[in-house]
Amino acid sequence: ELKVEQNPLFLSMQEGKNYTIYCNYSTTSDRLYWYRQDPGKSLESLFVLLSNGAVKQEGRLMASLDTKARLSTLHITAAVHDLSATYFCAVDVIGNDMRFGAGTRLTVKP
Amino acid sequence: DVKVTQSSRYLVKRTGEKVFLECVQDMDHENMFWYRQDPGLGLRLIYFSYDVKMKEKGDIPEGYSVSREKKERFSLILESASTNQTSMYLCASSLSQFMDTDTQYFGPGTRLTVL
Repeated sequence: ELKVEQNPLFLSMQEGKNYTIYCNYSTTSDRLYWYRQDPGKSLESLFVLLSNGAVKQEGRLMASLDTKARLSTLHITAAVHDLSATYFCAVDVIGNDMRFGAGTRLTVKP
Repeated sequence: DVKVTQSSRYLVKRTGEKVFLECVQDMDHENMFWYRQDPGLGLRLIYFSYDVKMKEKGDIPEGYSVSREKKERFSLILESASTNQTSMYLCASSLSQFMDTDTQYFGPGTRLTVL
């Protein structure tokens, strides 16, 4: 059974600081997704990582994938308050059937 | 823009009632999914469907059933609601299992409370 583990589950940061969220998964997969969820809202797609070594960046967020280590990271650079949200990673199982991590609730404080 | 809509944002039902949650997508997507979201557990897949009249069990199908009579509509049914089914239910759709870059698009969610 595929397990997807995120850490930390809760993250409180000061504005301007850098931090990394980790996503480990237990079985072979070469497709990994990152989503963002704002309170009371649904999930919004951030990144799709399709191969070993894939790196994608959007604004202050950068995601990478190491399929050999079964690890993806979401790096936050110079955090701002608008990045406060819950971030989920999800790993593709078969076709487009995904399994999600528990989520990392990020709070960025002024 | 892909739009996934769910019939209710909030729903309150009593134990033992039959509950229908409806999901509609307007982009001719082949795949549709039902998840429940609980604090600390992330999203857990209940059922999914790759085609009309086709369904597959996810990780936690017990106590649920689904129906997909039309491509755009995927219904989740709680045959006899119980308090442990109180949760946020999210519907999602994606274009095709054969698309490498495909992502899932989520509806706004239905917060179900079973009393």
